Amino acid sequence: SQELEQSPQSLIVQEGKNLTINCTSSKTLYGLYWYKQKYGEGLIFLMMLQKGGEEKSHEKITAKLDEKKQQSSLHITASQPSHAGIYLCGADRNTNAGKSTFGDGTTLTVKP
Amino acid sequence: NAGVTQTPKFQVLKTGQSMTLQCAQDMNHEYMSWYRQDPGMGLRLIHYSVGAGITDQGEVPNGYNVSRSTTEDFPLRLLSAAPSQTSVYFCASRQGNYGYTFGSGTRLTVV
Repeated sequence: SQELEQSPQSLIVQEGKNLTINCTSSKTLYGLYWYKQKYGEGLIFLMMLQKGGEEKSHEKITAKLDEKKQQSSLHITASQPSHAGIYLCGADRNTNAGKSTFGDGTTLTVKP
Repeated sequence: NAGVTQTPKFQVLKTGQSMTLQCAQDMNHEYMSWYRQDPGMGLRLIHYSVGAGITDQGEVPNGYNVSRSTTEDFPLRLLSAAPSQTSVYFCASRQGNYGYTFGSGTRLTVV
């Protein structure tokens, strides 16, 4: 989606290293969501951010929302092979929760 | 709970054939959506529904029809399959502004 730009497109890290994935929106955000997808499977919802400055964590994954910059970052601490997959950000453009848009995804490879 | 169930998982169609991709959710979610996922193009919204009896078009609706007669079911119909419809199709549901629950996808090839 050109509305949501993710960077980088792909990332290869050594196990144990930290990494950050960014998601930048070209339009106003009503809600920002992070999902993970393993090859050949559906997306799994990770976390949701709705307010500027909001930060949420789940295990070793932390997501932050910078409302002014219309940007979110996903940070993984001490990466493990289980973190490998495709990470996608999604956003609501208005109060219609049926019309989310998604970024193109960031493919993460973790080398043991 | 089963979550979102999609059938079939794989399908090969000939150009011009029609078929229905099934989607059912058992979470009583009000919103349901169909997306297609293509390499380099991410997830694109085909059709969505905000409740039983209410559907609307998304970003790429041409060649597809939907209906939502019950809260649980949201089938996607391909009217006359074309090679451009070769893709992975995902059905998803959500309640309010919480995150989507996705099905496991249907891999469709049109030859």
